[in-house]
Amino acid sequence: DAGITQSPRHKVTETGTPVTLRCHQTENHRYMYWYRQDPGHGLRLIHYSYGVKDTDKGEVSDGYSVSRSKTEDFLLTLESATSSQTSVYFCAISGKGLAGELLGTGELFFGEGSRLTVL
Amino acid sequence: GDSVTQMEGPVTLSEEAFLTINCTYTATGYPSLFWYVQYPGEGLQLLLKATKADDKGSNKGFEATYRKETTSFHLEKGSVQVSDSAVYFCALSSYGQNFVFGPGTRLSVLP
Repeated sequence: DAGITQSPRHKVTETGTPVTLRCHQTENHRYMYWYRQDPGHGLRLIHYSYGVKDTDKGEVSDGYSVSRSKTEDFLLTLESATSSQTSVYFCAISGKGLAGELLGTGELFFGEGSRLTVL
Repeated sequence: GDSVTQMEGPVTLSEEAFLTINCTYTATGYPSLFWYVQYPGEGLQLLLKATKADDKGSNKGFEATYRKETTSFHLEKGSVQVSDSAVYFCALSSYGQNFVFGPGTRLSVLP
């Protein structure tokens, strides 16, 4: 158990409403990621963070924003949800500590996912 | 950029059959290679990994060998069980922070 929790685990919302998903880690890992999982596409990176207030875009970042105000929390926000954002969202942390030191064997650890349905 | 290709399936096997899931990759440099497994309703968890050419990763009866000459990392198991039914993802990582995943292969094992 890599100490990652996502909330909410399930959410149904309507088109045009804002949505925020939260990822919380207790492991002091430096890198945190948000992926979405869709049939036929596998996992696609939305945004990632390499430190407090340091974030960058992934391959499918349009329509999403992120924030990381402290090491343990990484928030994903959909400013105005659309039906194309219906998906399962996974947070992950990588096996590197705050100083870049290797933790474990360098793999990604995943949360249990947040299923979002936009009607 | 880096990419991972794997057979998408679904793959349906009988219990105790031999499993192979093919994975090939394109990357600059020398990435680490991973297989992740996702059971229904859960997140992904690491199944095995290899960090350099000719390394063999193994876990729970699964094996995969890092083949640099063929840029492949095929997953194998000699005798699958019903409990192995899941989605399997091949992935690579360059520099330990940029991860690229294949589309996943759904495996169903019938009793």
